[in-house]
Parts: sequence; structure tokens; C-alpha cells
Amino acid sequence: DAGVIQSPRHEVTEMGQEVTLRCKPISGHNSLFWYRQTMMRGLELLIYFNNNVPIDDSGMPEDRFSAKMPNASFSTLKIQPSEPRDSAVYFCASSSPLFTGELFFGEGSRLTVL
Amino acid sequence: DAKTTQPPSMDCAEGRAANLPCNHSTISGNEYVYWYRQIHSQGPQYIIHGLKNNETNEMASLIITEDRKSSTLILPHATLRDTAVYYCIVRVAAGSARQLTFGSGTQLTVLP
Repeated sequence: DAGVIQSPRHEVTEMGQEVTLRCKPISGHNSLFWYRQTMMRGLELLIYFNNNVPIDDSGMPEDRFSAKMPNASFSTLKIQPSEPRDSAVYFCASSSPLFTGELFFGEGSRLTVL
Repeated sequence: DAKTTQPPSMDCAEGRAANLPCNHSTISGNEYVYWYRQIHSQGPQYIIHGLKNNETNEMASLIITEDRKSSTLILPHATLRDTAVYYCIVRVAAGSARQLTFGSGTQLTVLP
């Protein structure tokens, strides 16, 4: 079975542009998590979904960030407009209904905002 | 979820056992101890978890003290590929869809 798939792997954009990161969770998993990692702040949870419903978005830094999960096999994280301080690696993770604490992470999307 | 304390860095010789400590003195009775690791430029990877009994799998062993206030992750024969940041996380009982909160972890460097 394929793991969590994220795209793009690398994104370089200019300040003010819209950025959309995509995630395909593992088939059968019903929880999906978006994390952001920077040197300064480490791994931070941005938002997570359970059965396609956002459960906790308290980690979303501001209104410029939005996340959707239109179905069980796809999620997006959008930043509009992007700023240089949004530069980070964004990870998506999923977990199964038989949640035992194991999150399966994707390879991450490295975002650079110039 | 209970707070954890880990040393920022550790070294280990290749082929020797790596023992990574974690303090979680405020752990509650229904909280599990989880260990993840993150190899450079990759997403975090689950290693093992436990409640109060010692646990072992193909990757590592987890030793939890009787009072559950601390634990040790043991990599029995460390290899260069085990160089990574290791995260100790405490959270409520498995079975609920909740996030994991990552601290700063321990940077383990396996030396040749």
C-alpha cells in the first residue's frame, strides 16, 4: 500500500502568491493531520480532520491559511497570500480508525516564499 | 497531555546500544508513552509505544519505570542509519483521534 502522498515536494514562490499543498492519506485512514516544521518552532500541528470534518484548527496561524478535506482521499492546505515567514516544510499525516497512536507521515512539502 | 523532557543530544558508537531517556513526571494513568524519530529531511516515523509494561518490536525496546515517571528507548545495535531526532510523546489513551504534540526531541548521532 502506498504511504501518505504529498505534492508538490518543493515549491518556490514569491510573496503574495497563492500556494496550495496537497495530501492523499493512506486508504482506509479516517484522520488526517497537517503539521508545519521550522528550525525555530519545530513541528507544529496546524489542523486535523476526523472523517473529513475539521476537529481542531487552533494551530492555523492566521486567516491566510485554510485547509479542506472534500473527501476521504484528499486534503489541501492553502496559503493566500503567502509571506516569507511561511517558508517551512509542511507535513501531512494520517491514522487509521483503530488509532493506536501511530501517525503515518508523508515526505513533506518544502515551501520557500521569496 | 503531559510534558516530556529529553536531552537535546546524544552520541552512540555504531553497533552499541543506544539508550534514550525521557522524563514525564506528570503523566496520568491513562496516558501512553510514544516514541517517534525523524531522519533528516523525512517525515517522522513511529517507533513504539506503551502504557506501563515494557514493550519490544523489531525496531526498539521501550522500558517504562514502575512509577511511569520516566522511560528509556533502547536501540539494541545502533547503525549509522539510526542517526535522527527522537521524540518522546505522552498522550491520552489510544483509540481517540487526537493529535500528537512534538517537543524538541533528542538528536542521536551514531558514530562510526
